[in-house]
Amino acid sequence: GQQVMQIPQYQHVQEGEDFTTYCNSSTTLSNIQWYKQRPGGHPVFLIQLVKSGEVKKQKRLTFQFGEAKKNSSLHITATQTTDVGTYFCAPGAHNYGQNFVFGPGTRLSVLP
Amino acid sequence: DGGITQSPKYLFRKEGQNVTLSCEQNLNHDAMYWYRQDPGQGLRLIYYSQIVNDFQKGDIAEGYSVSREKKESFPLTVTSAQKNPTAFYLCASSRALPGQKNEQFFGPGTRLTVL
Repeated sequence: GQQVMQIPQYQHVQEGEDFTTYCNSSTTLSNIQWYKQRPGGHPVFLIQLVKSGEVKKQKRLTFQFGEAKKNSSLHITATQTTDVGTYFCAPGAHNYGQNFVFGPGTRLSVLP
Repeated sequence: DGGITQSPKYLFRKEGQNVTLSCEQNLNHDAMYWYRQDPGQGLRLIYYSQIVNDFQKGDIAEGYSVSREKKESFPLTVTSAQKNPTAFYLCASSRALPGQKNEQFFGPGTRLTVL
């Protein structure tokens, strides 16, 4: 089945530092989604990337989809305490596109 | 308000008992999903349904059962055959057709504890 890795597993940063998490798939993807889960909460959709090499920005968050459509990254500039949580990628399978295999997540802690 | 609801928020059961978790959505979504999340871990798919009266097993379906008699509802039963049922259970829904933006909307979850 589809295999997806996320690195790092954990990241502790000082408020104001940047943060990046990477999602890598063993297969070519039709799309990739990113979700954020706050501690004690449920995952919330952030974005979907579809095109090879696509880059999308949401305020301090920058999302990239690799040229080969096998990896993606999420970069946060100047982290804030509100960024605390776990970030999951959810790759869409090439032959259908449904996203229900979630990566293991990267847990971000932001120290004030 | 449109959304997805799960009840109850916390559930305790004795070992050997079956328990049913509720999931309802009024987003008119065709697809619904159940995930299990253990502390500090990711999401694992239990079952999913892309249309009424049809559902498919996910990666960890053993010890669980579902039904999809109505578009809005996708209850999950945790049976006594599930060896380690204590976990956080999340229900989600999305559009189902290929090519559509099929972001998943999650409910608030049910924390099940087996005593």
